Amino acid sequence: GQSLEQPSEVTAVEGAIVQINCTYQTSGFYGLSWYQQHDGGAPTFLSYNALDGLEETGRFSSFLSRSDSYGYLLLQELQMKDSASYFCAVGVYNTDKLIFGTGTRLQVFP
Amino acid sequence: EAGVTQFPSHSVIEKGQTVTLRCDPISGHDNLYWYRRVMGKEIKFLLHFVKESKQDESGMPNNRFLAERTGGTYSTLKVQPAELEDSGVYFCASSHATRGGYGYEQYFGPGTRLTVT
Repeated sequence: GQSLEQPSEVTAVEGAIVQINCTYQTSGFYGLSWYQQHDGGAPTFLSYNALDGLEETGRFSSFLSRSDSYGYLLLQELQMKDSASYFCAVGVYNTDKLIFGTGTRLQVFP
Repeated sequence: EAGVTQFPSHSVIEKGQTVTLRCDPISGHDNLYWYRRVMGKEIKFLLHFVKESKQDESGMPNNRFLAERTGGTYSTLKVQPAELEDSGVYFCASSHATRGGYGYEQYFGPGTRLTVT
């Protein structure tokens, strides 16, 4: 089967660093994406890793280890506006569908 | 550039009724996807269009769901007859024909919240 696991909730304070982990068991794994969703809004693409290593985009970084079936999203210099749900999603070889995790709700406190 | 739009934003219908959801993808995007999120669970893939053709409909739950994409532009998802378990948020997404890899960046709409009573 296909499954992705991520923590259901994470809390942090403004200015801090938080890491959201994602482990996956999927056949035909091609790449790992991260999406952000504010309440009532559209999921928004943040990053994509197809190769092992770290990808950095501003305050957000994403890491992938294919051998460990593991990735994480790192958010630095947290701001209140980062409070949202974060989803990891697997791209499967030879298809275009995304397989999503259940999401991690991040709450940032002042 | 306008984003993916979906209509309606909310729909409340009774069991047994019919509902049609509409999605307008980003102009020029050949790929169009439907997903849904039920009761706070994971977002699940329903189907994928390339232009007007169904590329993958492996996620469609049953034959009460019918998706169309006339002329390769907007898409509709009809649920007929609706059941209680169909309640959830239905998302549409689109992407370029040329991508950075399988499952690369998809642009999502805000979703249609469907409540079946």
